[in-house]
Amino acid sequence: GNSVTQMEGPVTLSEEAFLTINCTYTATGYPSLFWYVQYPGEGLQLLLKATKADDKGSNKGFEATYRKETTSFHLEKGSVQVSDSAVYFCALKSGQKVTFGTGTKLQVIP
Amino acid sequence: GAVVSQHPSWVICKSGTSVKIECRSLDFQATTMFWYRQFPKQSLMLMATSNEGSKATYEQGVEKDKFLINHASLTLSTLTVTSAHPEDSSFYICSAPSPGLANTGELFFGEGSRLTVL
Repeated sequence: GNSVTQMEGPVTLSEEAFLTINCTYTATGYPSLFWYVQYPGEGLQLLLKATKADDKGSNKGFEATYRKETTSFHLEKGSVQVSDSAVYFCALKSGQKVTFGTGTKLQVIP
Repeated sequence: GAVVSQHPSWVICKSGTSVKIECRSLDFQATTMFWYRQFPKQSLMLMATSNEGSKATYEQGVEKDKFLINHASLTLSTLTVTSAHPEDSSFYICSAPSPGLANTGELFFGEGSRLTVL
C-alpha cells in the first residue's frame, strides 16, 4: 500500500535559519504530492503541491521538488520566521485516497 | 478559497452516549467528503469516505456501526459516534476535495472536532 514517511519532530530553529523537512513516499503509479500545514488552533491547509516528476511546488517561500528517482518531496525554506511555527504534513494522492505522513512540528524561536 | 466548517469544535460526553459531528462545505458542493481521525503525535487516519446519495465507504478496521456516516446533502456530512467510550476520545477532521472541473487533488479541511468521552 501507499505510505509517507517524514522526519520526526519537533524541529526547533532560530529565526532566519534554513529549514529542511524530509519526506519520502512509497506508492504505486504516479501519485500527486502535497505539503499541508496546520497552524495552532486551525485546520490543515494546503501549502504547496506537485503533480508529476521534477515539478517544483512553491508558496510563501517554501519549496519542494517531486523527485521520482529518490521517491522524495523534501520541504525547504531559506529563512524561517516565527510565524512559520506549525505542524507540517507531507501527503500523497493516488486515486481517490490521500495518505498522510505523521507530521513534523516546527518551532521557530526569535 | 473553498471553506469547510465543522461543528462542534469540541464536545465532552459521558460514556455510552452518542455524539454527532457535522461537516459542511460552505461555498461549494461536495459529493464526497472524507473523515479522518488524528491521534496525538500521529498522522491523520482515514476512517471513511462519505458519498452523497449512497453508503459511506469505510476503511479496514473502522467499525461501521460505531461510526455512522450520513451524507445528507451536497453540503453536509455527519459523523455520529455511537455508544462512545473513552478510547473514542480523539480529534476528528473532515475534508472535501477541491471543487470544479479541474480536480487538483487538493483537500479542504474543517477545523476539527475534539471529542472527550468521560
